[in-house]
Amino acid sequence: TQLLEQSPQFLSIQEGENLTVYCNSSSVFSSLQWYRQEPGEGPVLLVTVVTGGEVKKLKRLTFQFGDARKDSSLHITAAQPGDTGLYLCAGYFGNEKLTFGTGTRLTIIP
Amino acid sequence: DADVTQTPRNRITKTGKRIMLECSQTKGHDRMYWYRQDPGLGLRLIYYSFDVKDINKGEISDGYSVSRQAQAKFSLSLESAIPNQTALYFCATAGQKSYNEQFFGPGTRLTVL
Repeated sequence: TQLLEQSPQFLSIQEGENLTVYCNSSSVFSSLQWYRQEPGEGPVLLVTVVTGGEVKKLKRLTFQFGDARKDSSLHITAAQPGDTGLYLCAGYFGNEKLTFGTGTRLTIIP
Repeated sequence: DADVTQTPRNRITKTGKRIMLECSQTKGHDRMYWYRQDPGLGLRLIYYSFDVKDINKGEISDGYSVSRQAQAKFSLSLESAIPNQTALYFCATAGQKSYNEQFFGPGTRLTVL
């Protein structure tokens, strides 16, 4: 069973600050996805990265896929209260099943 | 209307009872999944199905069974519920392409007393 480790598990910062969340595995991903989940709802896809070294931007969110395709990061610039939520990385390891990380619970304090 | 619906949204039951959670989707996807979410453990795959005649065990299938009644419907059953099956359960669907986005339902919060 492949494992994805996310860090930190919890993060609470002030509005306007920057933050980075990490996702690591000992195995190589075929591709990696980041989801965001809000209370009472299911996860919603933010981005998919496929190529080692790939960087994708979604407004104030920057996603990076490691060169070796074993790790990924999510960087948020100038965090806003609307960014509050549970951030989940999920990886395909060459098969048809997603393996999810344990999640980072982010709280942005106004 | 939501693309992926789950019923019930909340359920409290007693140890030993049989419980069925239902999932319906209007996205026309062939692939459907059942996950369980526990605090600190993320989402773990219980069962998945790539079409009506295809059922596969996931990471934590013991104590659960599923039925794919139609392309749009995928049910999860707990034959004899136990307290450690208390969790949030999600159904998800995906299309045929590689690296597909999974679309999740709103979840069912199940409590087994």
